Amino acid sequence: ETGVTQTPRHLVMGMTNKKSLKCEQHLGHNAMYWYKQSAKKPLELMFVYSLEERVENNSVPSRFSPECPNSSHLFLHLHTLQPEDSALYLCASSQARYAGNEQFFGPGTRLTVL
Amino acid sequence: TQLLEQSPQFLSIQEGENLTVYCNSSSVFSSLQWYRQEPGEGPVLLVTVVTGGEVKKLKRLTFQFGDARKDSSLHITAAQPGDTGLYLCAGETGANNLFFGTGTRLTVIP
Repeated sequence: ETGVTQTPRHLVMGMTNKKSLKCEQHLGHNAMYWYKQSAKKPLELMFVYSLEERVENNSVPSRFSPECPNSSHLFLHLHTLQPEDSALYLCASSQARYAGNEQFFGPGTRLTVL
Repeated sequence: TQLLEQSPQFLSIQEGENLTVYCNSSSVFSSLQWYRQEPGEGPVLLVTVVTGGEVKKLKRLTFQFGDARKDSSLHITAAQPGDTGLYLCAGETGANNLFFGTGTRLTVIP
């Protein structure tokens, strides 16, 4: 595997389900990001981890819970979601979290909440 | 939250035509990035512009950063079907924080 991978690529869940999205980067990077891309809004940053420590949380509802067990893996735990949470969830990584670093994106997980 | 508005939102042109996409904001950014996203994939970085007034060329694509570092444009010469995709601008502030634009969906018809 190369670059940034995400699993699953598609997920359908009910509002009472609990699921997790997984992201893995094979680039040796130290910063990882979760973004949400919905049809009617610009791509928006949700969480940032730098050296496995959460450094940014952009007012995301608590039904989204991130986890970064090591610098290569990032999870997004989902519970009690709402239909408006249906979106493409993108993971990205960069060498470090400072200005000018290129972010590399994974292909995303297409989430549908019924 | 910094807002970047892109225009046009949708663009459908014939192969060989030229086009320009605009990215405008009232905020100042330390850099401006352009990405292209294809269906089923994440965005891929095309270019980063850093200095006000800077112009960068990538084959048939020309990127310009506004003098005040609040806006940018992407010009494509002689568009090809392979240019089809969603073009996103993103302004960077602080430590690698990116604020993405509203997107321009380009379709180039053979």
